This record gives sequence, C-alpha cells and structure tokens, in this order.
Amino acid sequence: GQNIDQPTEMTATEGAIVQINCTYQTSGFNGLFWYQQHAGEAPTFLSYNVLDGLEEKGRFSSFLSRSKGYSYLLLKELQMKDSASYLCAVPVIAYSGAGSYQLTFGKGTKLSVIP
Amino acid sequence: GAVVSQHPSWVICKSGTSVKIECRSLDFQATTMFWYRQFPKQSLMLMATSNEGSKATYEQGVEKDKFLINHASLTLSTLTVTSAHPEDSSFYICSARDRRANTGELFFGEGSRLTVL
Repeated sequence: GQNIDQPTEMTATEGAIVQINCTYQTSGFNGLFWYQQHAGEAPTFLSYNVLDGLEEKGRFSSFLSRSKGYSYLLLKELQMKDSASYLCAVPVIAYSGAGSYQLTFGKGTKLSVIP
Repeated sequence: GAVVSQHPSWVICKSGTSVKIECRSLDFQATTMFWYRQFPKQSLMLMATSNEGSKATYEQGVEKDKFLINHASLTLSTLTVTSAHPEDSSFYICSARDRRANTGELFFGEGSRLTVL
C-alpha cells in the first residue's frame, strides 16, 4: 500500500521562502508529483520527480530522496496568490490497463501567505 | 498542455434524482480516466478508474451501482450519481492521462460541485 505524510497547515510571509515536506511509503516507486490546488478548484501540476536531487522551475523547486522516501517543495519569493493547498502524490501502476497509472494523494498542506 | 474539460461545473439537484457528469479530453486520447471525490477540507480520494471499452474499476467502499461510469470513447468518460442523497454532495474531479505520454502526469478537469438538497 501507499502512505503519504505532509504537514496540514503552514503560514509564511509574502516575499519569503517556504519548504513543504512530504514523506512517503510505497510498495513500488514511479516518481512523485506535486500539485497546487486553490480552494474550490481542480489541482494543477507543479512538478514530477523520478530521480534524486533538486529540480528548479522558476520560483518553485522540488527535491527528491528515494532512499529516504522524502520530497520537498520549495517556494521562493512568496506571493499572495501562492496561498493554496499543495498536494504530494505518488503514482501507482494500475494493472487494469497497460501503462495506466493512478495517483494516490497526500492530505495536502494548506499554505497561507500573509502580508 | 493537454486539456480536460468537465461538465457541468455546478449542479444542484433534489434528493433521489440522478446526475451525470462528463469528462472529456479535448486534445489527446485517454484509454484511462480517473474519477476523484473531494469533501471540504479533505484531500482527493480516488473513486474509480474508467477504462475505455471495458468496465470501470472501483476503489474499496465505492458503490458501483450508485456511481455508474461509462467510458464509451477515447475522449469521453461519464460519471452518473444515481439516486443522489445529501451525503453525496461533494466536489467531483476527473483526470486523464495521454496514452502516448511516458510519464504518469495526469491532467485534471475543472471539477464539478454537486449539491444535493
């Protein structure tokens, strides 16, 4: 089975840097996703890591350590619009169809950015 | 990026009626689509995996006779909530994966908020 843990809530100041951690336990590893979800909206894709290390994409970076079952999402130069839930997710191969994956989501970290 | 369209965005219905939600992949083909449900302040919970041309695979605890899924083509899956009750009120989101893609990235629809009175 899969188990994903991430903090429930975080608060940070506009312009600051925040790190959102995620630990996971999976029976197999097929990479790790980070999604952003604003209240009442569908999730939007942020990043996908399958190899160890840091991947940077603008203000957002994602880190993965497969040996530790650990990932983090780093948000720099925080803006008010970054207030959202950040979901850590791991894909699980669905044997019902060749090449099919389904995502198991963590409970999400609600980030509040304050002035 | 790939676009998934979900319709309707909002629906209000009376208890006992059935509601159909459509999920379309607009610029790619998806042999598999996924239906999630999200209650307020909770994470997305996978309900079922919709497979084109075959029966859907339901997660444990999800009633297949209540949540009917049809995946008639490579670009359309439908979720029908039959005999809806107030406890079915939730945010329903579909997602799809481009069958040509090598990654597991899923593209999400906009979500459908169902309110059952």
